[in-house]
Amino acid sequence: RKEVEQDPGPFNVPEGATVAFNCTYSNSASQSFFWYRQDCRKEPKLLMSVYSSGNEDGRFTAQLNRASQYISLLIRDSKLSDSATYLCVVNNQGGKLIFGQGTELSVKP
Amino acid sequence: EAGVVQSPRYKIIEKKQPVAFWCNPISGHNTLYWYRQNLGQGPELLIRYENEEAVDDSQLPKDRFSAERLKGVDSTLKIQPAELGDSAVYLCASSLGTSGFNTGELFFGEGSRLTVL
Repeated sequence: RKEVEQDPGPFNVPEGATVAFNCTYSNSASQSFFWYRQDCRKEPKLLMSVYSSGNEDGRFTAQLNRASQYISLLIRDSKLSDSATYLCVVNNQGGKLIFGQGTELSVKP
Repeated sequence: EAGVVQSPRYKIIEKKQPVAFWCNPISGHNTLYWYRQNLGQGPELLIRYENEEAVDDSQLPKDRFSAERLKGVDSTLKIQPAELGDSAVYLCASSLGTSGFNTGELFFGEGSRLTVL
């Protein structure tokens, strides 16, 4: 079983839609969690951290469920420019950042 | 401020040939990482340096891969000999101290895309 698992998608949604991505992790001792964004043929960039109480940054909301070892990212009012791959990242007990395989999002006009 | 710089951007070689990638991290970032990203997958850590010390190389295939960061600044990743399965994007990243673990903020270079024929 992979340490961090994501649905690879692709998720094809119309502009303005709300879309949610899920991620599960296997190491219950994992300490911190993040979402990265990677545009096609570009490098990954940090999108946002995920806090225990949940957090929001504009149209993006991240949530963590430690009991279920589950992380989510919600994007509201999708824009064409949101099209990218979204990588779930977990900092395990050993201080290593483990990346999921990514979920591809395509927002259509 | 300059970001993480990697070279070459693209490299095509035949199997069994050697190849080397170079990375210059963001100035002042003493933690440097090499990741490998296969098509459709997330980045996988190969090696992490704190200054010139390799503190995590558990995922580095040591029979053919080697890395160095002699002066604690720029770094080189070498593959010798390359195999077909080594075709991937090799990403270098840096972070300030060990804050990357806490903030999750790694700064990646644009990557070196390797094709082994």
